[in-house]
Amino acid sequence: EDQVTQSPEALRLQEGESSSLNCSYTVSGLRGLFWYRQDPGKGPEFLFTLYSAGEEKEKERLKATLTKKESFLHITAPKPEDSATYLCAVLGGSFKTIFGAGTRLFVKA
Amino acid sequence: EAGVVQSPRYKIIEKKQPVAFWCNPISGHNTLYWYLQNLGQGPELLIRYENEEAVDDSQLPKDRFSAERLKGVDSTLKIQPAELGDSAVYLCASSLGASGGPEETQYFGPGTRLLVL
Repeated sequence: EDQVTQSPEALRLQEGESSSLNCSYTVSGLRGLFWYRQDPGKGPEFLFTLYSAGEEKEKERLKATLTKKESFLHITAPKPEDSATYLCAVLGGSFKTIFGAGTRLFVKA
Repeated sequence: EAGVVQSPRYKIIEKKQPVAFWCNPISGHNTLYWYLQNLGQGPELLIRYENEEAVDDSQLPKDRFSAERLKGVDSTLKIQPAELGDSAVYLCASSLGASGGPEETQYFGPGTRLLVL
């Protein structure tokens, strides 16, 4: 059964304090691993798609990496506006997208 | 380009009443998804459409939930009758297709927040 586990559940950082969010997954036939950002009261906003182990993608202060068992979302020198819930999802051979519960990130100025 | 549009944004109903949600996907997107999101959880797939065909409705509680996608564009999700446990956010998403690569990336609407009293 496809499964996604995100850790930590919540993360509090000072502005400028870099850190990483973890997404551990099990899936049969990975078609893609997705990272989304969700602000309160809004729908998930697409950030990255990773397709194979070793792949990396960057966008501003965010960098996503992928291994065969997990993905990391690295946040470099975060700002208060980076505060949000970050969701990880996998799409496997069943064509069913499975989401993790998310990591709530709080960045204090 | 307009994103995924959903309405209403908020709905408050009494239990046992019917309710319907509407979704207009991104133009040209053939695949449409309905998700349910409970507070503090990730979205859970209810149904996936390829054009007008429901290709995965295994997670849809068919005793009270129904969905349709007319002419392969707009979609409606209905609950009848609603129960207290149906209170959640209902998200609609769309993607270009399901043939692999970037076209499988899903883009989400703002969601409909349902409260059943």
